[in-house]
Amino acid sequence: SYELTQPPSVSVSPGQTARITCSGDALPKQYAYWYQQKPGQAPVLVIYKDSERPSGIPERFSGSSSGTTVTLTISGVQAEDEADYYCQSADSSGTFVVFGGGTKLTVL
Amino acid sequence: EVQLVQSGAEVKKPGESLKISCKGSGYSFTSYWIGWVRQMPGKGLEWMGIIYPGDSDTRYSPSFQGQVTISADKSISTAYLQWSSLKASDTAMYYCVRSLTGDRVRFDPWGQGTLVTVSS
Repeated sequence: SYELTQPPSVSVSPGQTARITCSGDALPKQYAYWYQQKPGQAPVLVIYKDSERPSGIPERFSGSSSGTTVTLTISGVQAEDEADYYCQSADSSGTFVVFGGGTKLTVL
Repeated sequence: EVQLVQSGAEVKKPGESLKISCKGSGYSFTSYWIGWVRQMPGKGLEWMGIIYPGDSDTRYSPSFQGQVTISADKSISTAYLQWSSLKASDTAMYYCVRSLTGDRVRFDPWGQGTLVTVSS
């Protein structure tokens, strides 16, 4: 079955830039999406179609794609950005949705 | 405001049946897909399946095919996730999500979640 691979954890100091990667063989063909989940809350969409930002999401959140890897970048990280982040995409046929294993972002 | 409101937490015994719900409001319920996502305690997100309430077209993740049933009642703008015989391993938070016809992967918004606990 198709898998998306994320690092389990990323740590940054406030004000620095956090980069979270997600790798998958079908990513050159399928868009990637990113969700933020804070403890005890439902996930929230922060990036869609690789690099688009929904309304209400701060500009410090951005996404990019290169080959089989997509990256979520958070510029000028704030304490409130500490959360789990999940990438999401579809398999090469576009039939099945897949989530990455999640990355815990710690703000030091 | 687009909202998905889910039914409340459930505590069940192994072997019992269960149906949880997700009511959509603030948009045309029959024009968007509704999906379900499982999150086991301390674990990541897993896509279970999706339904188009307009015509009841339903797709399941291979991991959940045959294990659950997804349905919808468009007359009351409500989608359902159902088990016929629960197992302890079904203990999890279950989220419903909305997605577009042209972008079924984009899940926005999410319901608040329904916690299902299965224990003898």
